[in-house]
Amino acid sequence: GQNIDQPTEMTATEGAIVQINCTYQTSGFNGLFWYQQHAGEAPTFLSYNVLDGLEEKGRFSSFLSRSKGYSYLLLKELQMKDSASYLCAASDSNYQLIWGAGTKLIIKP
Amino acid sequence: ETGVTQTPRHLVMGMTNKKSLKCEQHLGHNAMYWYKQSAKKPLELMFVYNFKEQTENNSVPSRFSPECPNSSHLFLHLHTLQPEDSALYLCASSQASEVTDTQYFGPGTRLTVL
Repeated sequence: GQNIDQPTEMTATEGAIVQINCTYQTSGFNGLFWYQQHAGEAPTFLSYNVLDGLEEKGRFSSFLSRSKGYSYLLLKELQMKDSASYLCAASDSNYQLIWGAGTKLIIKP
Repeated sequence: ETGVTQTPRHLVMGMTNKKSLKCEQHLGHNAMYWYKQSAKKPLELMFVYNFKEQTENNSVPSRFSPECPNSSHLFLHLHTLQPEDSALYLCASSQASEVTDTQYFGPGTRLTVL
């Protein structure tokens, strides 16, 4: 079957760095997405990786290892507004997104 | 202008009611999606439309009936719902559904079935 695993909840301190891991098992693979979702709001696109390696976008970076079925989202210089759920989704052979349940990130002052 | 809009934002209905959710995208996309989001569960894909044609129906009960009159508008007609259907219903759009494309989401409709 197809499956995405990510931690349910993480806590970090303002100004620190946090890494949110995601492992995936899909029939075929056409890339991996990260979305941010604040409570009561729409998921918003953060990053897309299809090749191995690290993609950096400001304070956020995303990494992919296709051979390991593994990705992570790295958030630097954490701010209170980064408190949100982070959703990992893999695109399968039919280009459908298989979603994880999301990681709720709590930032403490 | 907001890319994807959804109305209503909140809806409370009884099990015998009939209601409709509306989604509109202003991004010039050709694919639209309905998802169900329940607490602490992954997003569940319900329906996919590509160029107004339904291309995916993920074993959704017939009490949910989608309609896509054009590439910019998507409806979800609801009737005889069950309390377990209470959830956040999200609409999304992308350039097309047959390639890997970034999906853009609306704010969702919070549905409560009494």
